[in-house]
Amino acid sequence: DTEVTQTPKHLVMGMTNKKSLKCEQHMGHRAMYWYKQKAKKPPELMFVYSYEKLSINESVPSRFSPECPNSSLLNLHLHALQPEDSALYLCASSQENGVRASFGPGTRLTVL
Amino acid sequence: QKEVEQNSGPLSVPEGAIASLNCTYSDRGSQSFFWYRQYSGKSPELIMFIYSNGDKEDGRFTAQLNKASQYVSLLIRDSQPSDSATYLCAASGYSTLTFGKGTMLLVSP
Repeated sequence: DTEVTQTPKHLVMGMTNKKSLKCEQHMGHRAMYWYKQKAKKPPELMFVYSYEKLSINESVPSRFSPECPNSSLLNLHLHALQPEDSALYLCASSQENGVRASFGPGTRLTVL
Repeated sequence: QKEVEQNSGPLSVPEGAIASLNCTYSDRGSQSFFWYRQYSGKSPELIMFIYSNGDKEDGRFTAQLNKASQYVSLLIRDSQPSDSATYLCAASGYSTLTFGKGTMLLVSP
């Protein structure tokens, strides 16, 4: 199994909703990442988990809350989002921090 | 601040030509370099990585690295319309990847 999976593929939510994005990998990778990507922009790093511990938080607003239940799973909990948070949310994993990362297919999030 | 610079394009080439994509980086501590291809609405896909000075070839793709000039390039030989995408250059040091803004490549039939 050499891929990163993400669910759901699409998500529409209101500003008062609480939802979660899920990511899973079975490649034995020890680093997992959340990126946010707006149209025609490069991926923007949000969080890095290394060996299941949060190692980097790029000053992301608290309405985004990451969670790493185990070495294969990564969640992103969403609460009270704003319309400007609408974007493609990408999960990635790599063997170690900073080495070549494999991306999941992404979740297209729309906040109404 | 670590930066990776790419020309946003679009770079237009005819089918069968060689496409040359370029990237410069600011952090001399960067050790590894990656090229990702991203089709519109899809996630980035890793197509090449290079760690050492010189050339690395894989099929129609050649990555070139010059650490002294802090310069990375990607050559695509025999370009096909299916190669039309945005190509993201990324550099890695001791922590995470730093992405360039990407170059859009258009290959016309």
